[in-house]
Amino acid sequence: NAGVTQTPKFQVLKTGQSMTLQCAQDMNHEYMSWYRQDPGMGLRLIHYSVGAGITDQGEVPNGYNVSRSTTEDFPLRLLSAAPSQTSVYFCASSPRLAGGEDTQYFGPGTRLTVL
Amino acid sequence: EDQVTQSPEALRLQEGESSSLNCSYTVSGLRGLFWYRQDPGKGPEFLFTLYSAGEEKEKERLKATLTKKESFLHITAPKPEDSATYLCAVQAWDAGKSTFGDGTTLTVKP
Repeated sequence: NAGVTQTPKFQVLKTGQSMTLQCAQDMNHEYMSWYRQDPGMGLRLIHYSVGAGITDQGEVPNGYNVSRSTTEDFPLRLLSAAPSQTSVYFCASSPRLAGGEDTQYFGPGTRLTVL
Repeated sequence: EDQVTQSPEALRLQEGESSSLNCSYTVSGLRGLFWYRQDPGKGPEFLFTLYSAGEEKEKERLKATLTKKESFLHITAPKPEDSATYLCAVQAWDAGKSTFGDGTTLTVKP
């Protein structure tokens, strides 16, 4: 199993550009989420999905869109990039077994710089 | 609103010098408290899940404990390879998401 994969690893954008960060998992996990991590800080939840076709907002959703058409993929779209979106973005997945382990497995991250 | 506060922000230890990291939390009905390790430039890696007050879990030099208000990550006789940022997160029963603390960056000097 590859686990959780993210592409690209690094990206530089100009203000106003749009792009999609890709995330895929091969563990058949129901739950997927996107976080951003700024220097010296923990993870802040952007959007999450509890299954294909279902998404919801997290703590910091503004400026980002998501969709979940398959169990495996959960792309994050930046609509019009701003310097405040410079951050490291992590995708995670979890089996969300009812009453059981809820461990999240993280991807390696995408380092985004917006000029 | 769920909240997680970790202390200290940074901790420097000599190899072999045991210590503890603290995670204080408020949550409306705890489903689980999670500890993760994050190395520079990498994604967080799962360490432990604790579900109820009094529960303890161990892995090599690490032991995690849980009370109704806080969790401790005890590090016994640490080695330089234990240097990392340790993240704590909580999940409530009525929420579909986890809330993370800002982490404690541990440096172990040889």
